[in-house]
Amino acid sequence: DAGITQSPRHKVTETGTPVTLRCHQTENHRYMYWYRQDPGHGLRLIHYSYGVKDTDKGEVSDGYSVSRSKTEDFLLTLESATSSQTSVYFCAISARDPRTYEQYFGPGTRLTVT
Amino acid sequence: AQSVTQLDSHVSVSEGTPVLLRCNYSSSYSPSLFWYVQHPNKGLQLLLKYTSAATLVKGINGFEAEFKKSETSFHLTKPSAHMSDAAEYFCVVSELGGHGNKLVFGAGTILRVKS
Repeated sequence: DAGITQSPRHKVTETGTPVTLRCHQTENHRYMYWYRQDPGHGLRLIHYSYGVKDTDKGEVSDGYSVSRSKTEDFLLTLESATSSQTSVYFCAISARDPRTYEQYFGPGTRLTVT
Repeated sequence: AQSVTQLDSHVSVSEGTPVLLRCNYSSSYSPSLFWYVQHPNKGLQLLLKYTSAATLVKGINGFEAEFKKSETSFHLTKPSAHMSDAAEYFCVVSELGGHGNKLVFGAGTILRVKS
């Protein structure tokens, strides 16, 4: 298994509070991604990073921000959580193998916003 | 932009019978395609990948997929279903652009295996 951990694994928070999710990798991969998973939608990309301090938006970036101050950590922040952000969040990493662009996924964080 | 359509949201088969999960894709260039599996309350595991080599791709646990460019399809098959195959399956296309590759997921197909 790829060395990816996510913390916390479960979190319940109230509407309007800030929340930060952490993704940590031990593979020294350049690319890191945050996705959210909702029934009927598969996984949708929130933000991704292509290097330390280099990030870009994905398909569903509104209400989220990210930071990457070192290779191994990629943080996802909900500045003011809303009920629509209740979801399962997955982190992924990629070395950008030009043959496959394969990504490896973490175990997920289940976030509930009440 | 690339897109993926999984034609069935739910598929139910009996143990020991064949499995067919259907996927069509849209891409403006030669894509990389993947199938991922997610067991209940688990993360995603790569089943197999197509990268413009052989059009028939073999994956783990007896799964195969065939890339058909003329039909823009990448269906997943298995000759004989096992109870442990019950899970959700995602067809995925890789989208190039910007500073990295992005994966575009289908909505998923939930496979139920009956004993």
